[in-house]
Amino acid sequence: DIQMTQSPSSLPASLGDRVTITCRASQDIGNYLRWFQQKPGKSPRLMIYGATNLANGVPSRFSGSRSGSDYSLTINSLESEDMAIYYCLQHNEYPNTFGAGTKLELK
Amino acid sequence: QIQLVQSGPELKKPGESVKISCKASGYTFTDYAMHWVKQAPGKGLKWMGWINTYTGKPTYADDFKGRFVFSLEASASTANLQISNLKNEDTATYFCARSGLRDWGQGVMVTVSS
Repeated sequence: DIQMTQSPSSLPASLGDRVTITCRASQDIGNYLRWFQQKPGKSPRLMIYGATNLANGVPSRFSGSRSGSDYSLTINSLESEDMAIYYCLQHNEYPNTFGAGTKLELK
Repeated sequence: QIQLVQSGPELKKPGESVKISCKASGYTFTDYAMHWVKQAPGKGLKWMGWINTYTGKPTYADDFKGRFVFSLEASASTANLQISNLKNEDTATYFCARSGLRDWGQGVMVTVSS
């Protein structure tokens, strides 16, 4: 199975900060990488698909990038509504695998 | 608009079975696969597998082979997840999600406790 190593597991940040979350794939997954946001008691929300494409309705302060086997989610100018847990997911092959999650919280 | 509405919370004893449903609306059900995702309390997301809603063929992740069954009631635009011989570690919220994972159900909390 493809392992997705996500870091950091916890990310304290201040409003207005620029933050980056990274997932490293254990094998080539091309651009078959999605990012999700999950708030307590809610279903996950798709934020980024195809590693770099913003999903519908997602604010432009979110962006995705790729460097080799490292995939990153960056949030510019953090807002309070961005506090959540973020997960990456590879869907290049079965089983699809999620990263362990990054909890973004106020410093 | 696209909606996935899941059935209500379940409280079961070890060894029992449970069947949870995911009713789709707002699109042609058989055009998009349905995925299932598990989230244990306080834990991360785990992909369980998917079902081809056109052919009915399921695909399971290894950890979900044997006691877990994906099925369809295509005429009712509904996907189902049945778990047999429930164990304490099956306590979790189970989500359905349409192919592409843009659209999710609200999740069903299944609690297994004696």
